[in-house]
Amino acid sequence: DQQVKQNSPSLSVQEGRISILNCDYTNSMFDYFLWYKKYPAEGPTFLISISSIKDKNEDGRFTVFLNKSAKHLSLHIVPSQPGDSAVYFCAASALELVFGQGTRLTINP
Amino acid sequence: GAGVSQSPRYKVAKRGQDVALRCDPISGHVSLFWYQQALGQGPEFLTYFQNEAQLDKSGLPSDRFFAERPEGSVSTLKIQRTQQEDSAVYLCASSLEGTLFNEQFFGPGTRLTVL
Repeated sequence: DQQVKQNSPSLSVQEGRISILNCDYTNSMFDYFLWYKKYPAEGPTFLISISSIKDKNEDGRFTVFLNKSAKHLSLHIVPSQPGDSAVYFCAASALELVFGQGTRLTINP
Repeated sequence: GAGVSQSPRYKVAKRGQDVALRCDPISGHVSLFWYQQALGQGPEFLTYFQNEAQLDKSGLPSDRFFAERPEGSVSTLKIQRTQQEDSAVYLCASSLEGTLFNEQFFGPGTRLTVL
């Protein structure tokens, strides 16, 4: 059973517009959530995180929103840039990190 | 180097062969993690070390998988009698503190292909 789900395998967004990546989870014991970005042939790179006691965390162009009642988190990137094209993984932690399947984001110039 | 390094980057093994994958974490990082990433999936937790102690190995898929970190720095993931289903990218990550909630820094991974 997939405890962390990213239901969109891919997303295509115009440069300058907002990118919204979604993630759902099932385990209510998760209390820390992270987003990682991955380029080909590289390991995932930490992007932004949020604790379960918050509902929003912002870092520059990146904002993560957490809706605990819906067990849903999202990553907003605005404005989107071509360098944002990558695979994005959400991850949740109770003990170990549990990753979603990833969403491939493509930013079109 | 400044980041986590892994070697080899690519490994092709014949079914039944033993393999050893190496991870050099960031110097001074207490925690070290191994993950397995199958094609089209996210990384899946295998095992976790705090210094030289293996605190969690619940993610190791079978007793053919063995990990060690004898001096609390470099770690080796060994897979005995490899099977085709072991084909995946094996990622190593390290973090500064001894908790599971800190940012983990990932290496580039070792892509294992079992023929």
